[in-house]
Amino acid sequence: TQLLEQSPQFLSIQEGENLTVYCNSSSVFSSLQWYRQEPGEGPVLLVTVVTGGEVKKLKRLTFQFGDARKDSSLHITAAQPGDTGLYLCAAVSSGSARQLTFGSGTQLTVLP
Amino acid sequence: KAGVTQTPRYLIKTRGQQVTLSCSPISGHRSVSWYQQTPGQGLQFLFEYFSETQRNKGNFPGRFSGRQFSNSRSEMNVSTLELGDSALYLCASSPRQWPNEQFFGPGTRLTVL
Repeated sequence: TQLLEQSPQFLSIQEGENLTVYCNSSSVFSSLQWYRQEPGEGPVLLVTVVTGGEVKKLKRLTFQFGDARKDSSLHITAAQPGDTGLYLCAAVSSGSARQLTFGSGTQLTVLP
Repeated sequence: KAGVTQTPRYLIKTRGQQVTLSCSPISGHRSVSWYQQTPGQGLQFLFEYFSETQRNKGNFPGRFSGRQFSNSRSEMNVSTLELGDSALYLCASSPRQWPNEQFFGPGTRLTVL
């Protein structure tokens, strides 16, 4: 079973600041998904990255998949209180026995 | 399209009891997966049903079981509840078989006393 490490575990910033969240593993992924979960709700899919080196943008959020497909990052520009939530990465393993493994998450709090 | 719905949203049980949780997937989605989320272990995969058959299974004891009906609705059952079963149980549906993109419901918060 692959292990996905997310960092930082907790992040508290002021509105308007920039931040980056990381998702790392020693294994190669087939693809990687990012989710955001708000209190009392289930995770919501933000993006899926598939190709090594791929960069995807979703408004102020920029997602990058590492060249070797072992890591990913999420960068938020000019964070807003509405960005507050638990950010989860989830990786699909490569090979015949494909699995979806979730990272432990980054709890982001954006203060007004 | 309506999202994934789960019932009940909250549940309190005592040790040794059993519980059944229900999930209605997004219309047209044939894959339904179940997850357990706890502060200590994070989000862990329980199992997936696709076309009424369990296709994938995580590393949970046999006390955790499920089924899927012909309309793709799914139920999850936990027998002989333990204190450690207290968690948020999430259901997710997908148009394709696991492990592709997951569309989650709001979850059922289970507390075992």
